[in-house]
Amino acid sequence: GAVVSQHPSWVICKSGTSVKIECRSLDFQATTMFWYRQFPKQSLMLMATSNEGSKATYEQGVEKDKFLINHASLTLSTLTVTSAHPEDSSFYICSTIRQQANSGNTIYFGEGSWLTVV
Amino acid sequence: AQTVTQSQPEMSVQEAETVTLSCTYDTSESNYYLFWYKQPPSRQMILVIRQEAYKQQNATENRFSVNFQKAAKSFSLKISDSQLGDTAMYFCAFMKHIRGAQKLVFGQGTRLTINP
Repeated sequence: GAVVSQHPSWVICKSGTSVKIECRSLDFQATTMFWYRQFPKQSLMLMATSNEGSKATYEQGVEKDKFLINHASLTLSTLTVTSAHPEDSSFYICSTIRQQANSGNTIYFGEGSWLTVV
Repeated sequence: AQTVTQSQPEMSVQEAETVTLSCTYDTSESNYYLFWYKQPPSRQMILVIRQEAYKQQNATENRFSVNFQKAAKSFSLKISDSQLGDTAMYFCAFMKHIRGAQKLVFGQGTRLTINP
């Protein structure tokens, strides 16, 4: 089953509104989560690194006031797109690393979220 | 900063053929990880194969194998006996080993089509 759950899978919102995307780690604690954005026919671009209990680290060129990241617990990180505009329409996907003593570190991705701003 | 380059935007082969996807990267790190991910139309990211830089032996996973050339900073993926289900986007990715946070840097991707 899924190790990292991301919701919603699809969301359509009106221009100017805000939309929240959740990323949950199931059955393990994720102190760090990564948020990526993928435009059609392009690669995944890291937007920010979400750290539990502290401020997120944003990549250059990503507006932190527009893409609010909250990592209030060890199993949940949220990405809120504020005042969304059509150009924010994209596929957003989270990932995290599960550290296991016997098998090392394993990277898991959420299922991704399609955002369409109309 | 690390960069990953996939020079083949698209590739197409017949079913059962062997295909090799290219990937080069640039880093000053000596210890790192390299990955190939498959992304089907569902957009789910599926790990195909993983290679630790300190391991000289090339990783293999059933029909998938890599040719890891550390000095040349090359990491190609070979798919043997290709199947229709292999049709997808393939991304090469690099991860620098950093204490705690470990982010992936992706290449541009190669769209692979397996024809019947």
